[in-house]
Amino acid sequence: EPEVTQTPSHQVTQMGQEVILRCVPISNHLYFYWYRQILGQKVEFLVSFYNNEISEKSEIFDDQFSVERPDGSNFTLKIRSTKLEDSAMYFCASITDRISEKLFFGSGTQLSVL
Amino acid sequence: RKEVEQDPGPFNVPEGATVAFNCTYSNSASQSFFWYRQDCRKEPKLLMSVYSSGNEDGRFTAQLNRASQYISLLIRDSKLSDSATYLCVRKISGNTPLVFGKGTRLSVIA
Repeated sequence: EPEVTQTPSHQVTQMGQEVILRCVPISNHLYFYWYRQILGQKVEFLVSFYNNEISEKSEIFDDQFSVERPDGSNFTLKIRSTKLEDSAMYFCASITDRISEKLFFGSGTQLSVL
Repeated sequence: RKEVEQDPGPFNVPEGATVAFNCTYSNSASQSFFWYRQDCRKEPKLLMSVYSSGNEDGRFTAQLNRASQYISLLIRDSKLSDSATYLCVRKISGNTPLVFGKGTRLSVIA
């Protein structure tokens, strides 16, 4: 089965530092997402991306966050100045089209902000 | 107000048992529902979609009751490998993002 690939699997950073989380969605997929899951909490939607622009974002996705698809394959999430509360597992996901039911998740990046 | 509510469990059941989880949702505009499975510190994976008519996939049966706004998942003949967290998920329509419940933890014991 095709896979969504995320790197790195773990990222440790100091508070206030910038981090970039990387994802390679499945090649023929059109919609891309970032979700996060704080330890012990539910999976929360951050942002969706289609046709090289943000299609929807949650209230979590504030000015500290940005997404890019710089080269047509990678899909990145940047956190400009990390806070302790940004510590979480960040999942990238992609889907073929808007009517498809199956969302494919990457294995996640565990971000720890110290 | 929580959009998707689940009993967090844990449900500890012996191998071979039948176990049922329920999930309630508050947004009546929700169109599609799913059960995802999440193993410890892994990504969620789609287990099955949920239809009003009910659907079955092997030992798993899912039901949707729109009038009462709840979804259920029944697992028959539980296996050790069924141990995981089961996430109730809803989507309003089209490309709207999935909304996850917090999950119900199942432990199947030998």
